[in-house]
Amino acid sequence: EAQVTQNPRYLITVTGKKLTVTCSQNMNHEYMSWYRQDPGLGLRQIYYSMNVEVTDKGDVPEGYKVSRKEKRNFPLILESPSPNQTSLYFCASRRSMNTEAFFGQGTRLTVV
Amino acid sequence: AQSVTQPDIHITVSEGASLELRCNYSYGATPYLFWYVQSPGQGLQLLLKYFSGDTLVQGIKGFEAEFKRSQSSFNLRKPSVHWSDAAEYFCAVARLGNTPLVFGKGTRLSVIA
Repeated sequence: EAQVTQNPRYLITVTGKKLTVTCSQNMNHEYMSWYRQDPGLGLRQIYYSMNVEVTDKGDVPEGYKVSRKEKRNFPLILESPSPNQTSLYFCASRRSMNTEAFFGQGTRLTVV
Repeated sequence: AQSVTQPDIHITVSEGASLELRCNYSYGATPYLFWYVQSPGQGLQLLLKYFSGDTLVQGIKGFEAEFKRSQSSFNLRKPSVHWSDAAEYFCAVARLGNTPLVFGKGTRLSVIA
């Protein structure tokens, strides 16, 4: 089954403790992205990747890192999480720029 | 920079009534347009998409959308809403070049009996 898989689905952590949210897709898609969703703000782009070893900042990249060492994986790294990074995070992949995005189920992160 | 506007934050409709969710975009060329639905606690699911051709596109779950270039709009419609349609709906635009989708802020749909 074609899918984008994120882990974990839920995470509660403390300020400053490094964490990684994994994202994997099995559709051989070139493009992968991370979004955060906050009430009243919709989905905002954090980072995106056009291919292996090619990443670029989205609209809200501060406090986040990503890597794309393999085509299928695109982890999101929070080196020193802060409470303002409490949010719902989505990973998405697309075959090309003029096709639809497929989304993971989301990761609800709480930073206390 | 282009943007996507969904003017209605929250809409309430009666079950069986018709529905129209508005979406306007600002973009210098004909964009690729999408509507997604997010049910509570779920990820985003594609309802329909427009790339070119017929400006009225059909999607899943009985939804349709019409692209109107002159109005820079891509409104989502459904003739008869079901209680299970209660969800949040997002309009999105694909920009030219290698960039991600740009989303509107969403419209939350409530369905009452």
